[in-house]
Amino acid sequence: DAGVIQSPRHEVTEMGQEVTLRCKPISGHDYLFWYRQTMMRGLELLIYFNNNVPIDDSGMPEDRFSAKMPNASFSTLKIQPSEPRDSAVYFCASRSPGLAGTGELFFGEGSRLTVL
Amino acid sequence: DQQVKQNSPSLSVQEGRISILNCDYTNSMFDYFLWYKKYPAEGPTFLISISSIKDKNEDGRFTVFLNKSAKHLSLHIVPSQPGDSAVYFCAAGAGTGRRALTFGSGTRLQVQP
Repeated sequence: DAGVIQSPRHEVTEMGQEVTLRCKPISGHDYLFWYRQTMMRGLELLIYFNNNVPIDDSGMPEDRFSAKMPNASFSTLKIQPSEPRDSAVYFCASRSPGLAGTGELFFGEGSRLTVL
Repeated sequence: DQQVKQNSPSLSVQEGRISILNCDYTNSMFDYFLWYKKYPAEGPTFLISISSIKDKNEDGRFTVFLNKSAKHLSLHIVPSQPGDSAVYFCAAGAGTGRRALTFGSGTRLQVQP
């Protein structure tokens, strides 16, 4: 069974450009999470969805960040306009309904974003 | 304010010895805790977890200890192996799992052959 799939794996862009990161969760998983990894803050939660509905977006840094989940098999995280301080690794994770009690998440390999 | 703290950014141990990774939390609502392991250029993978009703959970070479009164948990790896070299994240959750996990900043473990 395929794991969480993220694209692109690497993205280098210039300040002010729009960036779109994509995620395909594991089939049957009902929760989807976007996390960002930085040296200073470790893994910080940006937003998460349950059954395609955003539940908590309080971690989204600014209005420049937006996320959507149009269906159960696809989500996007968009940054517009991008800034150098957005440079980080962005992870998508999903969770099985059967593991809700344990909280165990399955992560993708991440999208490394560099904003010049 | 970080609710889950890993105060040691790095740790180096000799192969065969014990590795002890520590984690502190501030939110008394957390009732389950997990450790994740992350290799470079890969996503974090689940390692071991513990519920707040327990004070110890063991899985092979990995044992997690929970001290609720001190709001502290630790991960013990015995014996440590070079393949254990990775970044370890502590995570905590509250409620029935309907909420997201809160992660610490990670500890980089290096096991020297």
